[in-house]
Amino acid sequence: SQTIHQWPATLVQPVGSPLSLECTVEGTSNPNLYWYRQAAGRGLQLLFYSVGIGQISSEVPQNLSASRPQDRQFILSSKKLLLSDSGFYLCAWSVLEGWTEAFFGQGTRLTVV
Amino acid sequence: KQEVTQIPAALSVPEGENLVLNCSFTDSAIYNLQWFRQDPGKGLTSLLLIQSSQREQTSGRLNASLDKSSGRSTLYIAASQPGDSATYLCAVMKAAGNKLTFGGGTRVLVKP
Repeated sequence: SQTIHQWPATLVQPVGSPLSLECTVEGTSNPNLYWYRQAAGRGLQLLFYSVGIGQISSEVPQNLSASRPQDRQFILSSKKLLLSDSGFYLCAWSVLEGWTEAFFGQGTRLTVV
Repeated sequence: KQEVTQIPAALSVPEGENLVLNCSFTDSAIYNLQWFRQDPGKGLTSLLLIQSSQREQTSGRLNASLDKSSGRSTLYIAASQPGDSATYLCAVMKAAGNKLTFGGGTRVLVKP
């Protein structure tokens, strides 16, 4: 069966510090991978999605970046965090075609102080 | 641009009552629609996926319908229980393997 792992679960970082959130998927090959952010009182916003290694699409301009160094690994990064980067970050995966049900990780609560 | 709306934003019902959650979307050219549950501070749990060619999907006490032409989906939860208290989100996928566009969610409270 497929599983998705996301870590860390919570993170408190000072303004201006770097960020690295990691997501890995097991039990499937060549998944589509997604990073979403859920800010307090707001809906889910798609940040990045990837259909393959090294292929990243950015949905919104921001100081975040994403990378996919391996087929089932998706990393969300920032060189310098802003207060506005606080939120709940969710990683998800789906297959490319057919029954494209999306599955989410347990999320990372990021607080920038 | 696809927009997904969920009304009401919050719902409170006594235990045992049936729940009806609504989701509407502006662009009927969708690949599928998915319903999720989110508990506070947790990730999303997939409940039901309806392909664009389907009219409904059922899983236990849950039933989701899809009327693509009118841009609507409804999630029915029969005989609600306090454990059903959560936020329910719907999302549409425009094309296979593409991104999901989410509604704002409906926060449900089932009172014992």
